[in-house]
Amino acid sequence: GDQVEQSPSALSLHEGTDSALRCNFTTTMRSVQWFRQNSRGSLISLFYLASGTKENGRLKSAFDSKERRYSTLHIRDAQLEDSGTYFCAARGGGNNKLTFGQGTVLSVIP
Amino acid sequence: NAGVIQTPRHKVTGKGQEATLWCEPISGHSAVFWYRQTIVQGLEFLTYFRNQAPIDDSGMPKERFSAQMPNQSHSTLKIQSTQPQDSAVYLCASSLDLGGCAETLYFGSGTRLTVL
Repeated sequence: GDQVEQSPSALSLHEGTDSALRCNFTTTMRSVQWFRQNSRGSLISLFYLASGTKENGRLKSAFDSKERRYSTLHIRDAQLEDSGTYFCAARGGGNNKLTFGQGTVLSVIP
Repeated sequence: NAGVIQTPRHKVTGKGQEATLWCEPISGHSAVFWYRQTIVQGLEFLTYFRNQAPIDDSGMPKERFSAQMPNQSHSTLKIQSTQPQDSAVYLCASSLDLGGCAETLYFGSGTRLTVL
């Protein structure tokens, strides 16, 4: 089946720094969605992309439009409230279900 | 818009008992999904309904698990004869399912099931 490989599995950032998370797909994907899971367990949708890039504040996501085999999430000027677990999830061409990566546990430290 | 509502938030059952989990999708959303989250397996797809009809149940364990969507305002996930390995957070999500951005999934807060 479709596989989503997310990296890194854990990341510590100092406040004010930038970093990027990445998801690689073992097959061509139709769309990707990025989520943040907060301490209460709620999955909050950050971005939906079928191609190209989207930006929202200090977050920016990109989905490789040619091969459709990877996506990235960039965090600029990290803040303490960015801490949480980030998931990417992608849809293959044949169905509408999202396949999730294993997540990145992000800790932003003062 | 209250978002996707899941009840109960927590459920504790004894081994062998039945558990029923409830989901109310966002009003107007035609697609409902069920996922399960554990530390070991991560987020796993279970099943998916569109306009109340079951579309894909490829993630559902073949025994003891069943899901229904009797009307457009709620779906249930039933686990018969619960086992300790069924312990997980069960997440429900809904979407407009119209393609493009309307595929965006919105998740509920989940039901944490603990089987003793």
